[in-house]
Amino acid sequence: GQNIDQPTEMTATEGAIVQINCTYQTSGFNGLFWYQQHAGEAPTFLSYNVLDGLEEKGRFSSFLSRSKGYSYLLLKELQMKDSASYLCAVIDSNYQLIWGAGTKLIIKP
Amino acid sequence: SQTIHQWPATLVQPVGSPLSLECTVEGTSNPNLYWYRQAAGRGLQLLFYSVGIGQISSEVPQNLSASRPQDRQFILSSKKLLLSDSGFYLCAWSVLGQGASEQYFGPGTRLTVT
Repeated sequence: GQNIDQPTEMTATEGAIVQINCTYQTSGFNGLFWYQQHAGEAPTFLSYNVLDGLEEKGRFSSFLSRSKGYSYLLLKELQMKDSASYLCAVIDSNYQLIWGAGTKLIIKP
Repeated sequence: SQTIHQWPATLVQPVGSPLSLECTVEGTSNPNLYWYRQAAGRGLQLLFYSVGIGQISSEVPQNLSASRPQDRQFILSSKKLLLSDSGFYLCAWSVLGQGASEQYFGPGTRLTVT
């Protein structure tokens, strides 16, 4: 079967750095997305990785290793507004999007 | 620019009642359209997707159905709601033909079945 694993919940301090990991086992791979979802709201797109390496976008970076079936989202200079769930999603060989359950990130002052 | 609308924003319905949720997209043509459900504290479950008018693919067996009467309109329906149908329903679109493009979500409908 297809599976995406993320930690259920993480806690970090305002101003710090946090890394949210995602491992996947899917039938094929055509890219990986990270989405942010604030409580009660719709997910919003953060990043897309299809090749190995690091993609940087402001305070957020996303890393991919296809050989290891592994990605992480790195958030720097954490702000209170970063408190949200972060969803990892993989595009499989049929171009279907397989979603992880999400990681709830709690930021403390 | 593209926008996606969903309504209603919240809905409370009794068990056994019918359901109709509507989603419309503006500013793009021939989009892929999706219906997801998200239970509290859980991930997204794909319910239906559509690549064109009248073309609906169902991902999970259930008492829900979907229709696409127009290019940019996607409707989720049920004849008789179950308690287990409660959840956050999200409509999304992506660019047709670009299988690896990101999906853009509507604001969602929070459905409570009582």
